[in-house]
Amino acid sequence: DGGITQSPKYLFRKEGQNVTLSCEQNLNHDAMYWYRQDPGQGLRLIYYSQIVNDFQKGDIAEGYSVSREKKESFPLTVTSAQKNPTAFYLCASSGGFEYQPQHFGDGTRLSIL
Amino acid sequence: DQQVKQNSPSLSVQEGRISILNCDYTNSMFDYFLWYKKYPAEGPTFLISISSIKDKNEDGRFTVFLNKSAKHLSLHIVPSQPGDSAVYFCAARNAGNNRKLIWGLGTSLAVNP
Repeated sequence: DGGITQSPKYLFRKEGQNVTLSCEQNLNHDAMYWYRQDPGQGLRLIYYSQIVNDFQKGDIAEGYSVSREKKESFPLTVTSAQKNPTAFYLCASSGGFEYQPQHFGDGTRLSIL
Repeated sequence: DQQVKQNSPSLSVQEGRISILNCDYTNSMFDYFLWYKKYPAEGPTFLISISSIKDKNEDGRFTVFLNKSAKHLSLHIVPSQPGDSAVYFCAARNAGNNRKLIWGLGTSLAVNP
């Protein structure tokens, strides 16, 4: 079954700790994205990658880091520099054709202990 | 500065009737528009899209209309079903900015039996 898998579904972080959110896709998509959603807000872009070994900052990249070593995987690290990390994190991917929608995983909810 | 606006935070409709969700945008560089449906604690699910060269796209019960002169698009759901109850997001792609998606804040649709 093709799709995007995010893990874990729920994650708890202590103050000062880095955590990594996993995102894997088997859709053979070139582009992958990380978004953050806060209550009552739309989706805000953190980072995106259009090809392996390349990624760009989105609108709210501060306090986050990513890597894109494999086409299938785009992990997001929430660092201790992110002062307000509690949110719902969504990973998406899209194909390379002209008009292709982004497809999403089921998200990871990150909370601070 | 909200480039994609969904001015109705919520909408309530009777089962079997038409649901009309609206979206306004400000940037004439947007070339591709998408509607997504989202349930709580899940990722958005792609519903339907339209490119800027068209004014209507239909897929089953869902139709999207685009009025470029008014910078307005709408999603029609006919007939509405209780399972359609969810938050609906409008998104627009900026052709001139790495094709990033810009998201509205969503409209919560309740379809009453």
